[in-house]
Amino acid sequence: EAEVAQSPRYKITEKSQAVAFWCDPISGHATLYWYRQILGQGPELLVQFQDESVVDDSQLPKDRFSAERLKGVDSTLKIQPAELGDSAMYLCASSTGQSRTTEAFFGQGTRLTVV
Amino acid sequence: GENVEQHPSTLSVQEGDSAVIKCTYSDSASNYFPWYKQELGKGPQLIIDIRSNVGEKKDQRIAVTLNKTAKHFSLHITETQPEDSAVYFCAALNSGYALNFGKGTSLLVTP
Repeated sequence: EAEVAQSPRYKITEKSQAVAFWCDPISGHATLYWYRQILGQGPELLVQFQDESVVDDSQLPKDRFSAERLKGVDSTLKIQPAELGDSAMYLCASSTGQSRTTEAFFGQGTRLTVV
Repeated sequence: GENVEQHPSTLSVQEGDSAVIKCTYSDSASNYFPWYKQELGKGPQLIIDIRSNVGEKKDQRIAVTLNKTAKHFSLHITETQPEDSAVYFCAALNSGYALNFGKGTSLLVTP
């Protein structure tokens, strides 16, 4: 069964360091999302791609976060410098994006701890 | 933007009983409402969804209902089992084709 792949599963980093997460969506899925999930809360959208283009990054803290999807397939989310408040689960999801009712499938996430 | 409210935040039931989780949304243009189950340390897993052209959908022990006029939708789990214990999230698709999530319901099914 096709699935969204994310790596690493866990990451511990010191504050002020740089950290990067990788996501490989389900093959053929044009839409890719990065969500952040703080413990005990629901996922919140950080950035949305349609192919290689950013559709929505209004909630992305652009002073320290960046995201790219250069070839319209896999994607990287970077944080530099990391802050204590960035500790969370970072989830990637993908969908075909062909209509407003297509399912979105999530990866297992990357659990980030900033110390 | 889209606001999704979810209740209750925690729910404890005995094995075999039913569990109901309710959500409301604010954007009348939303027409897709999925439910996700999230187990500890894992990503959310889609378990069922409903589109605005239907009022109810059932898949074995799980059912969802949608009332577009009142802007609320619900998840019903019948004959609950211990393996149903997890956090459940409702969501609504916004005008930008991204999901807005509720805060989650932690369901505990006790034997």
